[in-house]
Amino acid sequence: AQSVTQPDIHITVSEGASLELRCNYSYGATPYLFWYVQSPGQGLQLLLKYFSGDTLVQGIKGFEAEFKRSQSSFNLRKPSVHWSDAAEYFCAVAFDTGRRALTFGSGTRLQVQP
Amino acid sequence: DAGVIQSPRHEVTEMGQEVTLRCKPISGHNSLFWYRQTMMRGLELLIYFNNNVPIDDSGMPEDRFSAKMPNASFSTLKIQPSEPRDSAVYFCASSPGQGTGYGYTFGSGTRLTVV
Repeated sequence: AQSVTQPDIHITVSEGASLELRCNYSYGATPYLFWYVQSPGQGLQLLLKYFSGDTLVQGIKGFEAEFKRSQSSFNLRKPSVHWSDAAEYFCAVAFDTGRRALTFGSGTRLQVQP
Repeated sequence: DAGVIQSPRHEVTEMGQEVTLRCKPISGHNSLFWYRQTMMRGLELLIYFNNNVPIDDSGMPEDRFSAKMPNASFSTLKIQPSEPRDSAVYFCASSPGQGTGYGYTFGSGTRLTVV
């Protein structure tokens, strides 16, 4: 079955520390992959996306993500977290690039400690 | 570019009443999506349109929910009659193409509370 999983419901990191948020998918082919961020009371904002080519993609706000086909993963990373990065992060997958909409993971809530 | 505009931002209604949520997509975007977000179920796709035509409404929970897109610049999601379990944040998103490769632009959402 096609699915997307974010194993971590909640993560707390200290400001300035590095961050990695996990995302795994189940699919017979390589899907299109996205990361979105949602600040409290706001809609979702696209951070980055992967379609093909270089498996390390750069996004906005200093985020990057790496696609690993062998692990069916698309983990989001940031070398140094800022207090303003506290938000909820969603991995999203397009299993069919034609007519089906994005499927979102359950989200990971990031808390940043001073 | 004003982005995707949703109204109202907040809606509180009594059980049994009709609720209408509105969305104006980004000009030029020809795909529009309605999602519902709850703590228990996360983000769920309700329905999506391409060129004003419903493509996939399999996520619409039941007949109490209906959605329309009479033209390229306006869509509504209606719940009649509303029930407390419909309480959620409803998001509208638009995309410039039918394919999912473009990513979506989301509105700020409508927080619906049914009492």
